[in-house]
Amino acid sequence: ILNVEQSPQSLHVQEGDSTNFTCSFPSSNFYALHWYRWETAKSPEALFVMTLNGDEKKKGRISATLNTKEGYSYLYIKGSQPEDSATYLCAFIGGSYIPTFGRGTSLIVHP
Amino acid sequence: EPEVTQTPSHQVTQMGQEVILRCVPISNHLYFYWYRQILGQKVEFLVSFYNNEISEKSEIFDDQFSVERPDGSNFTLKIRSTKLEDSAMYFCASSADRGNTDTQYFGPGTRLTVL
Repeated sequence: ILNVEQSPQSLHVQEGDSTNFTCSFPSSNFYALHWYRWETAKSPEALFVMTLNGDEKKKGRISATLNTKEGYSYLYIKGSQPEDSATYLCAFIGGSYIPTFGRGTSLIVHP
Repeated sequence: EPEVTQTPSHQVTQMGQEVILRCVPISNHLYFYWYRQILGQKVEFLVSFYNNEISEKSEIFDDQFSVERPDGSNFTLKIRSTKLEDSAMYFCASSADRGNTDTQYFGPGTRLTVL
């Protein structure tokens, strides 16, 4: 069983704060890492697909970095807004090509 | 913007009954997936499907499960004899290219309740 961990489990920030959370995954047999944003009562929305060590991806105020050698990825949100409130999921794909998800980080941004 | 749709949104069934969950992937996508999330647990991959064949499947996807693309638009997940532990939210997803390195688009989910 692959160990994909996300921390923190939940996070409360004030509007305007910048924040980041972590996805940890096995450092061997890396193939890809997916980040999703999942709002309550909606479906998961893909944010990033990361494949190369050192990858940095950006979408508006959200960015992500990838370190496959040490087995972690960071997701950053700059200047959080209430609409950023959601659960952020990562999914690790290794040599089996089967995604393994973390439990997610629940972000609540207070106005 | 094209989206993945799923029907029904909620299905209630008795233990031992067969259920079919339906999905309409985005029209030009070639790769299709089913995931599930049991309440309070992680999202779990079930199966991926390409060119009318299963590409990968997880240990969860045993003989009770099957997938089919019966026509050019639908993609279905059948559970032959439902168990209580099959109660979960089931998500369909699709991608234009192989979803390990391509963006997967998720549907809204079907909540399956087995009584």
